[in-house]
Amino acid sequence: EAGVVQSPRYKIIEKKQPVAFWCNPISGHNTLYWYRQNLGQGPELLIRYENEEAVDDSQLPKDRFSAERLKGVDSTLKIQPAELGDSAVYLCASSLTVDNEQFFGPGTRLTVL
Amino acid sequence: GQNIDQPTEMTATEGAIVQINCTYQTSGFNGLFWYQQHAGEAPTFLSYNVLDGLEEKGRFSSFLSRSKGYSYLLLKELQMKDSASYLCAVRAIGFQKLVFGTGTRLLVSP
Repeated sequence: EAGVVQSPRYKIIEKKQPVAFWCNPISGHNTLYWYRQNLGQGPELLIRYENEEAVDDSQLPKDRFSAERLKGVDSTLKIQPAELGDSAVYLCASSLTVDNEQFFGPGTRLTVL
Repeated sequence: GQNIDQPTEMTATEGAIVQINCTYQTSGFNGLFWYQQHAGEAPTFLSYNVLDGLEEKGRFSSFLSRSKGYSYLLLKELQMKDSASYLCAVRAIGFQKLVFGTGTRLLVSP
């Protein structure tokens, strides 16, 4: 069974540029999460989807971050414009339901110069 | 809110046993998770505790005491490949999300 797929794996951009990350969860998993992980820290939840509905986006900086999960499968996370402090690893995870264990993708390492 | 504490770094020798502690404060506890994360890779699920006691899974065991807000991950017969960060995460009732600690970086030496 394929795991959570993310792309790109690495992205380097200049500040004020836009960037987008893509995630394909494990087939059949209804719940999808986007996390941000800074160096030496644990992942922090940005947004959680139940199917196509964003049910927890309280930690998403809405002035510059946006996300969507059309058709309740793939998801994209966008930052526009990026700031230096956005440099981090962006992890996508999915679970069968919100009560099940989460499976993480390999992440996208973003560097903002 | 939730607060999770775990040691920043630990070292151990191949073949030994190591215990990684995690203390937490949360309202409406609804489960504690341990994840392993190798450098540059995604976290992978190790264990889940929601009731008090010990859960054993091969070389890894996890313990929970809800009254003390305390958990530990026990790794036996350490191998070099066990060198990684170990993340403790807590879920609270009604929030349905995991709050992660900063992780404990374990270095296993020959």
